[in-house]
Amino acid sequence: DAKTTQPTSMDCAEGRAANLPCNHSTISGNEYVYWYRQIHSQGPQYIIHGLKNNETNEMASLIITEDRKSSTLILPHATLRDTAVYYCIVRVSRGAQKLVFGQGTRLTINP
Amino acid sequence: EPEVTQTPSHQVTQMGQEVILRCVPISNHLYFYWYRQILGQKVEFLVSFYNNEISEKSEIFDDQFSVERPDGSNFTLKIRSTKLEDSAMYFCASSERVAGNNEQFFGPGTRLTVL
Repeated sequence: DAKTTQPTSMDCAEGRAANLPCNHSTISGNEYVYWYRQIHSQGPQYIIHGLKNNETNEMASLIITEDRKSSTLILPHATLRDTAVYYCIVRVSRGAQKLVFGQGTRLTINP
Repeated sequence: EPEVTQTPSHQVTQMGQEVILRCVPISNHLYFYWYRQILGQKVEFLVSFYNNEISEKSEIFDDQFSVERPDGSNFTLKIRSTKLEDSAMYFCASSERVAGNNEQFFGPGTRLTVL
């Protein structure tokens, strides 16, 4: 699976959009970009995934650059409950089963 | 909404003892996983399980570890002779399918403390 690079930490004001970047310059054509988050010591929680098109669900939006070498997770109206560690994971679309977690970005939402 | 459950939430054991961590995956899921997270460190993959056999395991998953699906609902992780360094949060996860764009659903974890 391709390696990802994320900032160690970020801050965002409550009610504002939180934009979390991820670099995955070695991504290959059959690899998806997944985002998970971990609130405190809870189990990781799936947020969203995409291949090359931008995606949106009830939790977030995922913007993938045209060359697929980077992506941005957007939480449109961050709340205090969005404070968590956010993981960007690149994995193949079939065959590989495991998720490989990096250090992620520790996002702090400030009141 | 269906969820993965794990018991116990916290297990304290003496070094050298055997522990069994239990998980109930989401009922229609076919693929099961164990991960662990040592305090302050990354979440690490241990093992994946499908069709009553191990699909993949990491270097961490050595002979002291085993997994089992003893009935139609439970998925267990056994650590035969615990070591101090086994102290960690252990997360169970399940997914509907492995190929394609599946998502893994994680349980709340079991905190294992080895004294």
